[in-house]
Amino acid sequence: QLVLTQSPSASASLGASVKLTCTLSSGHSSYAIAWHQQQPETGPRYLMKLNSDGSHSKGDGIPDRFSGSSSGAERYLTISSLQSEDEADYYCQTWGTGRVVFGGGTKLTVL
Amino acid sequence: QITLKESGPTLVKPTQTLTLTCTFSGFSLSTSGVAVGWIRQPPGKALEWLALIYWDDDKRYSPSLKSRLTITKDTSKNQVVLTMTNMDPVDTATYYCAHTPGGSSDAFDIWGQGTMVTVSS
Repeated sequence: QLVLTQSPSASASLGASVKLTCTLSSGHSSYAIAWHQQQPETGPRYLMKLNSDGSHSKGDGIPDRFSGSSSGAERYLTISSLQSEDEADYYCQTWGTGRVVFGGGTKLTVL
Repeated sequence: QITLKESGPTLVKPTQTLTLTCTFSGFSLSTSGVAVGWIRQPPGKALEWLALIYWDDDKRYSPSLKSRLTITKDTSKNQVVLTMTNMDPVDTATYYCAHTPGGSSDAFDIWGQGTMVTVSS
């Protein structure tokens, strides 16, 4: 069964870097995912598509501070030089076998 | 520039049928590979995928909600319609439609602003 697992919360200091993780279920380690950001009281915004080899393509206007990487079944979103506006929920999304799946989201707090 | 906008009732009663319309611009749903999906988010909870319709009228549904959902498209009007039957208070959520670019990707790369639907008698 295609499942995405995310830690419920993460925190990092202003100006620091943080790495969020999205884990694909067993047997699905070759799948690409997408990362989305949802700031408080707003709709989701597409950040990037991230492939299993770590290559990624970002959405329009997404700052260079956002990058993606992959290792096995893990997909990562790294945000560097954290700013206050990066405090948000981050969701991963994948697709395949006729369906779309979202992870449970990670709430990022910028200290 | 691609935009999508959801419309529909803000309040429905339990057991009623919900009909939501996604009106989009900047792309054609007759272009090979392109799709439009519906996603919902109950207050304070995570995103949940509902349905997806492709340029060739192929349709996909969330297995847990498949019996209650119907997705259709009107290419001439640039609209996608989602109906959900037998609404319940647990269906209270913000409903989003979103674009996928096709090719090898069903990533939702452009989102609508969302529409809040409350289910209450």
